[in-house]
Amino acid sequence: AQKITQTQPGMFVQEKEAVTLDCTYDTSDPSYGLFWYKQPSSGEMIFLIYQGSYDQQNATEGRYSLNFQKARKSANLVISASQLGDSAMYFCAMRERGRPGGYQKVTFGIGTKLQVIP
Amino acid sequence: NAGVMQNPRHLVRRRGQEARLRCSPMKGHSHVYWYRQLPEEGLKFMVYLQKENIIDESGMPKERFSAEFPKEGPSILRIQQVVRGDSAAYFCASSPPGGHPWAVNTDTQYFGPGTRLTVL
Repeated sequence: AQKITQTQPGMFVQEKEAVTLDCTYDTSDPSYGLFWYKQPSSGEMIFLIYQGSYDQQNATEGRYSLNFQKARKSANLVISASQLGDSAMYFCAMRERGRPGGYQKVTFGIGTKLQVIP
Repeated sequence: NAGVMQNPRHLVRRRGQEARLRCSPMKGHSHVYWYRQLPEEGLKFMVYLQKENIIDESGMPKERFSAEFPKEGPSILRIQQVVRGDSAAYFCASSPPGGHPWAVNTDTQYFGPGTRLTVL
């Protein structure tokens, strides 16, 4: 089973509009963390936002917010007031607790390509 | 306050040659991770290292690939006798020392710009 599922290969959004990028995850571990990264065409991976499984509130970072629905195992990224510079690939990732003393692997989804239209 | 540094940014090798990819973690970070990104795919974990120790190499191909993080100097990902299928972007990430082993490590992994390997 896929640990991280991103079902939208590509998305378009009008400049200044909000957009939601979907991410669902699969884990039996009660303790985990969820991340979103942005990869522009230049190729670097830029950390955007983090949500812990025990966090009571949804994470927010500027124009980015994470719509965390634990029961549904979803961690959608919401970008408000889209800008042309938001055009990029977006990756959802999860870190699980893993076995005691073991490395807590980070698993990435296959990404969603977002294009912002002027 | 330099971020994670990787060099070279682009590397071209012919089949059968060796490729050496270097990664210098962020200042204060002692954990290094290597990932591979094939075209049109997400990142796949390869190996996790701390200084002079390989912690987890479960994502590394069994042959031709090796990694090290010496006491001094950058982490090196080495690919011997490269083949066309090794063409990919290789990313290094670093994070500071983690917390209690039972707690999810909330330390974010910060990525370098990647090395794009092309095998001719």
